[in-house]
Amino acid sequence: EVQLVESGGGLVQPGGSLRLSCAASGFTFSSYEMNWVRQAPGKGLEWVSYISSSGSTIYYADSVKGRFTISRDNAKNSLYLQMNSLRAEDTAVYYCATEYGGVDAFDIWGQGTMVTVSS
Amino acid sequence: QSALTQPASVSGSPGQSITISCTGTSSDVGGYNYVSWYQQHPGKAPKLMIYDVSNRPSGVSNRFSGSKSGNTASLTISGLQAEDEADYYCSSYTSSSSWVFGGGTKLTVL
Repeated sequence: EVQLVESGGGLVQPGGSLRLSCAASGFTFSSYEMNWVRQAPGKGLEWVSYISSSGSTIYYADSVKGRFTISRDNAKNSLYLQMNSLRAEDTAVYYCATEYGGVDAFDIWGQGTMVTVSS
Repeated sequence: QSALTQPASVSGSPGQSITISCTGTSSDVGGYNYVSWYQQHPGKAPKLMIYDVSNRPSGVSNRFSGSKSGNTASLTISGLQAEDEADYYCSSYTSSSSWVFGGGTKLTVL
């Protein structure tokens, strides 16, 4: 079964850091581009970041550029999001997602991990 | 990158059809055929319903269809069922090599 499982969420103070992980299984992780998408409580979806299958190409939303870093370890079938200088507006459920089925869209999503930035 | 514009809510009775619009710009919806639609039930992850404007992934009911004209994409659900009640989000690839989502539309089945 193709599956993505996020972890690493929690409560952090403003200005703090957190590292999210996304463990992939059931498919050849190293062949697929990956993304992070977030959803603030009661709000809509917001694309956060993209990384190519090799990790050589990376893009960020303007709202997180310079503060967040996406990376991957293909040997460990894992995707990461290092979040620094966190702000209250970063509070959200963070999903990892991929374009698995050869479609130009996110057809596989994890269950999400909640990040709360509050003092 | 500004969010795509969707109506906040739509409603319909069982068996009826509804259409949700999604308006962007020539830098996203109008410029690419990479428009997708997602269904999200409360507390659940989004589920892909339509990709590349009008294609359905395997397993998605043919009651769901998509189209695009200029900078506006649309999702139509025919033969409404109670289980269709959910939030729906459109998304598009952009000229900035990013993805943008709509603000979401809450579908109520009366």
